[in-house]
Amino acid sequence: NAGVMQNPRHLVRRRGQEARLRCSPMKGHSHVYWYRQLPEEGLKFMVYLQKENIIDESGMPKERFSAEFPKEGPSILRIQQVVRGDSAAYFCASSQEQGTQHFGDGTRLSIL
Amino acid sequence: SQQGEEDPQALSIQEGENATMNCSYKTSINNLQWYRQNSGRGLVHLILIRSNEREKHSGRLRVTLDTSKKSSSLLITASRAADTASYFCATDAGGNTPLVFGKGTRLSVIA
Repeated sequence: NAGVMQNPRHLVRRRGQEARLRCSPMKGHSHVYWYRQLPEEGLKFMVYLQKENIIDESGMPKERFSAEFPKEGPSILRIQQVVRGDSAAYFCASSQEQGTQHFGDGTRLSIL
Repeated sequence: SQQGEEDPQALSIQEGENATMNCSYKTSINNLQWYRQNSGRGLVHLILIRSNEREKHSGRLRVTLDTSKKSSSLLITASRAADTASYFCATDAGGNTPLVFGKGTRLSVIA
């Protein structure tokens, strides 16, 4: 039973480039959450999606950030025109209906 | 806004001792969960306690919840070097609402 799979594990981008982070939920899970973690901090909620729908994006920055969870394929967190402040670990979690959230190992994004 | 706040921020103990970490939160919750995070890794779910529960055990873990004080504690008994990690509490408001995390307690268990 594979857990939540995130890739890449590490991503390096230069300022102004785009970053695409992928998350494949656990089998049978239709709810996906994205969180961001700064060094020495807890996780901060960004967005909650179900298949083809954004349910709650109250934690997403208004510009440059977008997320999708298509009918087929992984969920994607996209950051356009990255800046140094986007450097962080980005975690995806998935759950069944009203179930415990299970986390992936994260993508560590570094901006040069 | 940040809901949970753990204390202490960092804790260093000898192997075999017990470790106690506390978490406080601000608003009403449905569940409170504790997670562990090893350096450079994702979060591992440890235990969930519902708002109508006061205490829960799982192996060497004991969690208490006091909704009147809006606080929870995580006790790890007979600690091991492998328990070295950061521990986070997270609350939710029910359903599939997002988790709200504290800043965590960094536990070091010295062999």
